[in-house]
Amino acid sequence: QKEVEQNSGPLSVPEGAIASLNCTYSDRGSQSFFWYRQYSGKSPELIMFIYSNGDKEDGRFTAQLNKASQYVSLLIRDSQPSDSATYLCAVNNFGNEKLTFGTGTRLTIIP
Amino acid sequence: DTGVSQNPRHKITKRGQNVTFRCDPISEHNRLYWYRQTLGQGPEFLTYFQNEAQLEKSRLLSDRFSAERPKGSFSTLEIQRTEQGDSAMYLCASTGGGLNEQFFGPGTRLTVL
Repeated sequence: QKEVEQNSGPLSVPEGAIASLNCTYSDRGSQSFFWYRQYSGKSPELIMFIYSNGDKEDGRFTAQLNKASQYVSLLIRDSQPSDSATYLCAVNNFGNEKLTFGTGTRLTIIP
Repeated sequence: DTGVSQNPRHKITKRGQNVTFRCDPISEHNRLYWYRQTLGQGPEFLTYFQNEAQLEKSRLLSDRFSAERPKGSFSTLEIQRTEQGDSAMYLCASTGGGLNEQFFGPGTRLTVL
């Protein structure tokens, strides 16, 4: 079992719709959860982080965390063509500095 | 505020050659990380520094790989006797000041022929 699992996609979403990206993790000790956006040929860009159960909203992005189910998700509202990218889920523990990444979900927003 | 910078951005080398990459973190960040990313995969952790101390190394970091951060500022990653399997994007990230979020540089893309 991979430590962090994501559906590789591609996930196609019409422009203006909600894109929903999911991630599960195996280490119950994980305490910090991150979503990075990565355009082709570029480096990862941090877009959201969440540490507590529940929802966290930032503009068009909402991160959702359910530690009991070991599940974290990212919702993108009013999807734009510029949101087309690979979205990487990453986790770590306080005291264990390294980030463990999933393989990423490729999202395509269809105009 | 300048972000994390990495040099060179691209490196093409022949198998068996040595290469060295440099990372300059965000100035107030005392923690610096190296990751490697291959096509279709997420970044994989290589090593981590807090100030000048190298605190963790992945088993991915074979004895051909060495990293330093001599004055707790910039860091270098050297790969000796490169192999074709070393071809990847090498990413540097930094954080600090009580933050847990890591910010990535643009990466160095290595191609070993």
